[in-house]
This record gives sequence, structure tokens and C-alpha cells, in this order.
Amino acid sequence: QKEVEQNSGPLSVPEGAIASLNCTYSDRVSQSFFWYRQYSGKSPELIMSIYSNGDKEDGRFTAQLNKASQYVSLLIRDSQPSDSATYLCAVNRVTGGYQKVTFGTGTKLQVIP
Amino acid sequence: NAGVTQTPKFQVLKTGQSMTLQCAQDMNHNSMYWYRQDPGMGLRLIYYSASEGTTDKGEVPNGYNVSRLNKREFSLRLESAAPSQTSVYFCASTGSSGRAPSSYEQYFGPGTRLTVT
Repeated sequence: QKEVEQNSGPLSVPEGAIASLNCTYSDRVSQSFFWYRQYSGKSPELIMSIYSNGDKEDGRFTAQLNKASQYVSLLIRDSQPSDSATYLCAVNRVTGGYQKVTFGTGTKLQVIP
Repeated sequence: NAGVTQTPKFQVLKTGQSMTLQCAQDMNHNSMYWYRQDPGMGLRLIYYSASEGTTDKGEVPNGYNVSRLNKREFSLRLESAAPSQTSVYFCASTGSSGRAPSSYEQYFGPGTRLTVT
């Protein structure tokens, strides 16, 4: 079992729709949870961090965390073609005195104009 | 505030050549990391440095060495490049976000695209 699992996609949504990206993780002691956006040929860019159960909203983005189910999701409202990218889910915990960050392989999102 | 910077952006090596990838961060972060990213494989940790003066192996350390020169700088060296090391290399640093207790965030540099022929 992978430590962080995501559907590789591609996930295609029409412009203006809600895109829903999902992620599960296996390490129950994970403390922090992140979503990164990566455009083709670019580096991962941190777009959302969430640390406690529930929802966190930032503009058109909402991150949802359910630690009991070991599940993290990202909702993108009013999707735009510029949102087309690969979205990486990541989880973090302290181990051996350092921050161990584990990434999923990413979900490719395509927003169709 | 430049964040995490990496040099060079692109590099082509012949098999057996050596090179050093440079990384620096200006966010006063303690922890720094080197990843490689290959199609379908995701990000894989090569080496990390939890703090100045310490380095440890990650998931795929073979063929690489690192140096944590000071708190800002963390370099990755390929002693004898092989075609299997063709990849995109990312440096990252992690520091406290200040948003919650024990909350940390990781930031990436722009990457180095390395081709070994």
C-alpha cells in the first residue's frame, strides 16, 4: 500500500464547474496535510495547508480533512482553464527529528473551456 | 525574499562526468531536502538535512552525495553520472508555518533538469 494515494486522472471538468480531488494516506500519526499545484515543467507550488479536521477555505479552494478516515480532499470552485495542472497531495510528520513529507503521485486536472 | 533558489536550471552531462547542484534558501528554515521527479514515479527523496551539520539518506541515495554547507545552502553532487540519473531535481526547505502548533510547510526551488547521455 502506498503511503499517499491519489487517482492519477486525468480528471476533466468543464470551465465553471467544481473540481474534486481526493487523497488517502496510511500513516495515522501524520500531522500536516498539503495540496501542491504543479504546472508542466515547473516546480510544485504550495496552495493549501490543513492541520485539523474539517474544512479550510481560501478563495476558490477548499481543503477538507478527515483524520478518522485518513482522507484529504481539495475542491476547486468555478474551475478555470488556468487551473489545469497536476495536483499533489502531501502529508507530513515529525520522525527522527526531521519533517518527513510524503507525496502522492498526483492527479492531473484538465479544465475544458 | 527569493525563497528557494537552485542552479543550474538545465544541464547535460556525459556518462561518468560529475557535477554539483546548488541550492540556497533565505527563509531561515532548518530542514532542507533533495528530491528527484520522474514520470509516473512522483517525487522521491534523495537526501535530507534536518539541521545545519546533519545529513541523512532518503529513499534513493545511491549515486549521490550531499553537503550542508551552512544553514542556507545544501548541495547535491553526482560523482559519476549515469543515464538513470536523468531526471528533474528539486531542492526544498521546510519551516514552521506559525499557523498551528507543530505545523510545518515545505517550499520548493524551481528545479534542475538534468540529462545524462
